[in-house]
Amino acid sequence: QVQLVESGGGVVQPGRSLRLSCAASGFTFRSYGMNWVRQAPGKGLEWVALISHNGSNQYYVDSVKGRFTISRDNSKNTLFLQMNNLRGDDTALYYCVREPYSSYTYYGMDVWGQGTTVTVSS
Amino acid sequence: DIQMTQSPSSVSASVGDRVTITCRASQNISSWLAWYQQKPGKAPELLIYAASRLDSGVPSRFSGSGSGTDFTLTISSLQSEDFATYYCQQGNTFPFTFGPGTKVDIK
Repeated sequence: QVQLVESGGGVVQPGRSLRLSCAASGFTFRSYGMNWVRQAPGKGLEWVALISHNGSNQYYVDSVKGRFTISRDNSKNTLFLQMNNLRGDDTALYYCVREPYSSYTYYGMDVWGQGTTVTVSS
Repeated sequence: DIQMTQSPSSVSASVGDRVTITCRASQNISSWLAWYQQKPGKAPELLIYAASRLDSGVPSRFSGSGSGTDFTLTISSLQSEDFATYYCQQGNTFPFTFGPGTKVDIK
């Protein structure tokens, strides 16, 4: 079945780095855009980044630009989020999310992983 | 950035009630809008895409409407499994943005 499984979360000190991974299965990974969406404890959803199906385009929310890098390995059906210079307000549950692409309509984010927790604390 | 607002922020309702949630975008987003349902401790699930199209497997009691800046999500007859938080999200312009959420709980 279609599945996204995140890993790599943990507790990290401010200013340090962490790399999240998302293993995809059950669908043709290289055909889909992929997002990272986060949710701070008790808060709403915040979109973090998107990478196009072939990795040629990346987009970020302003608060992570220059600190986070989204990437993918289509040969291994894996999505990544390299997070550098982490701050307390990066503490959240990070979801890996699939997004079908179309230039004609918006198909939404149709498959979500269960998330991996990142806690930034000294 | 496009700001998304939702109203109400919470609603108390009974099984069988009709519930309507409104989402407003700060700029014209055409129909580039999606709705999600999130239950406590669970990942969000896509309900509606392109403002009014039901995702596969979503019950027909859910419907979406609107275009431009004003959108609505309607649950025609609330069921016990519908008590959750609902988010709208625009996919028209980066950065994508979500509304703050509407919590639907039991009256």
